[in-house]
Amino acid sequence: DTGVSQDPRHKITKRGQNVTFRCDPISEHNRLYWYRQTLGQGPEFLTYFQNEAQLEKSRLLSDRFSAERPKGSFSTLEIQRTEQGDSAMYLCASSWDRANTGELFFGEGSRLTVL
Amino acid sequence: AQKITQTQPGMFVQEKEAVTLDCTYDTSDPSYGLFWYKQPSSGEMIFLIYQGSYDQQNATEGRYSLNFQKARKSANLVISASQLGDSAMYFCAMREGENFNKFYFGSGTKLNVKP
Repeated sequence: DTGVSQDPRHKITKRGQNVTFRCDPISEHNRLYWYRQTLGQGPEFLTYFQNEAQLEKSRLLSDRFSAERPKGSFSTLEIQRTEQGDSAMYLCASSWDRANTGELFFGEGSRLTVL
Repeated sequence: AQKITQTQPGMFVQEKEAVTLDCTYDTSDPSYGLFWYKQPSSGEMIFLIYQGSYDQQNATEGRYSLNFQKARKSANLVISASQLGDSAMYFCAMREGENFNKFYFGSGTKLNVKP
């Protein structure tokens, strides 16, 4: 399977714990995005990478959130000291900037539940 | 201001009939792209159709067509001959930005196809 993969698919944690999500984009894609989606809402932009460079971060991304994309391949999203309000689906998407349409290809998401 | 507005939280359509899902957008960039994604209950985001701001003709992909009215800044999705499998959330999205790297999503429309 050469699609976007995310791990873990589900994570249940206690408030105050740290969690890390991983995203493996489609191999030839140089752009990688993280979004957060709560029930019944559209995806909200969190951050964006062009290759290994993090070019933009949303104001939604508090200091407790950090994302990396070492070597421009896979990416990790870490949430420190989780809060109940962090409970959401975290979606990763990738795209290729030379594609005609440049649509985002999404992974299946990582669902976080903070108790 | 909202970048993407979807005013229909939920829609019902009879199987085999056509349905239109509304989307309006807000941008001052002359170059942008408009997308529709489908999100079934399983959660994955599926790309359906794309319309570029300079495209003269409305985009079509099988049973999906995009009714692009540039002056009104609307990009409605038309699904013809609805099928039960079309029941899902539908999100309108826009890509803009200097490097075409910013994606914005609407809040979605939940479509229910009745047998």
